[in-house]
Amino acid sequence: QSALTQPRSVSGSPGQSVTISCTGTSSDVGGYNYVSWYQQRPGKAPKLVIYDVSKRPSGVPDRFSGSKSGNTASLTISGLQAEDEADYYCCSYAVTYTSFGGGTKLTVL
Amino acid sequence: QVQLVESGGGLVKPGGSLRLSCAASGFTFSDYYMSWIRQTPGKGLEWVSYISPSSSPTKYADSVKGRFTISRDNAKNSLYLQMNSLRAEDTAVYYCARRGYNFDYWGQGTLVTVSS
Repeated sequence: QSALTQPRSVSGSPGQSVTISCTGTSSDVGGYNYVSWYQQRPGKAPKLVIYDVSKRPSGVPDRFSGSKSGNTASLTISGLQAEDEADYYCCSYAVTYTSFGGGTKLTVL
Repeated sequence: QVQLVESGGGLVKPGGSLRLSCAASGFTFSDYYMSWIRQTPGKGLEWVSYISPSSSPTKYADSVKGRFTISRDNAKNSLYLQMNSLRAEDTAVYYCARRGYNFDYWGQGTLVTVSS
């Protein structure tokens, strides 16, 4: 039950796009289309922003998009806004466990 | 609206026990898998356990297997986590969340501190 691998930090200027990667194995990310992404602001509970690799819950802006290739999933945020500054976590289902990534701090410059 | 409210956290000595509760409202609790997820101070998220709507099956992270037990009472719209043989590394904020994955609603969390 290893944690998924995410970069510790990414940054971008307002209006730009950033992509956060999430690498797992064929037993989790690569084996199922059940990758989700969460946004967490300081002192708050995580919020679901992407599920089933690329689906957006109601109310999440279409600036947020998800994809997957092999054992690596990605979250892309386009048209960066100051309010997007937060920690982002990926998560993947597997048959015997569920794994989170270590989290990526997004800084909007 | 969906609400999840955790309670039962606190300070406990190593080797001790604690029972967390999560009160659910705003949805048909008995229709959903439910999960516990924890976050160590200043660090990342760790999935702990999930339970099906009928209470079986359940699933646990290796780090808590044999020490923690998840349960639910659908009549009371409540989810529980019995934590035994607690260790310092169990210190974390514990969240309850709706679903077994693709966690769409989270509570505000309850802090568990294991220290002598």
